[in-house]
Amino acid sequence: LAKTTQPISMDSYEGQEVNITCSHNNIATNDYITWYQQFPSQGPRFIIQGYKTKVTNEVASLFIPADRKSSTLSLPRVSLSDTAVYYCLVGSEKTDSWGKLQFGAGTQVVVTP
Amino acid sequence: DAGVTQSPTHLIKTRGQQVTLRCSPKSGHDTVSWYQQALGQGPQFIFQYYEEEERQRGNFPDRFSGHQFPNYSSELNVNALLLGDSALYLCASRGQGENIQYFGAGTRLSVL
Repeated sequence: LAKTTQPISMDSYEGQEVNITCSHNNIATNDYITWYQQFPSQGPRFIIQGYKTKVTNEVASLFIPADRKSSTLSLPRVSLSDTAVYYCLVGSEKTDSWGKLQFGAGTQVVVTP
Repeated sequence: DAGVTQSPTHLIKTRGQQVTLRCSPKSGHDTVSWYQQALGQGPQFIFQYYEEEERQRGNFPDRFSGHQFPNYSSELNVNALLLGDSALYLCASRGQGENIQYFGAGTRLSVL
């Protein structure tokens, strides 16, 4: 399973854009990159998933360079409710690695007024 | 469409007791995984069930066991509880061939 590395914490102000970069140097050809958000005492919530280039949904954007060794989650115009831990994970249905997703410590994002 | 549901929400047990946690997967999902999340840490994979069989297992002792029923729901059983088993237990489900796993809200287990 590909190991991921992301910053332990990030601070931001309301209305700013937050970019969290995750490194996954050993990503396999079939692997997808998935980001989850977790609030205290709640289960992780799916945010976005991508394979290459750029993916955007109503919540966030995911930028993946051509070599796929890293990815950046972009949260536009954050609010106080975006304060949470964000996890970057790598895995694939084809390698059956999704069931045993390896969560690291995640990135604690704190948004202040 | 209900998402992944877990019960109970909270549970308090004493050392040495046994506990059973329950999970109903998201509609249309047939694969269930269980995770343990200690305070301040990321979730740790316990095991995965598919077609009523344990398919993959993380680094957890045999005190942790599970079951999957024909309707795809699942149970996590923990025997001989230790203080260190106190954690948030998460259930996640996905459909075969899908790359997105969805999590329940978890069961908070406290062992006294």
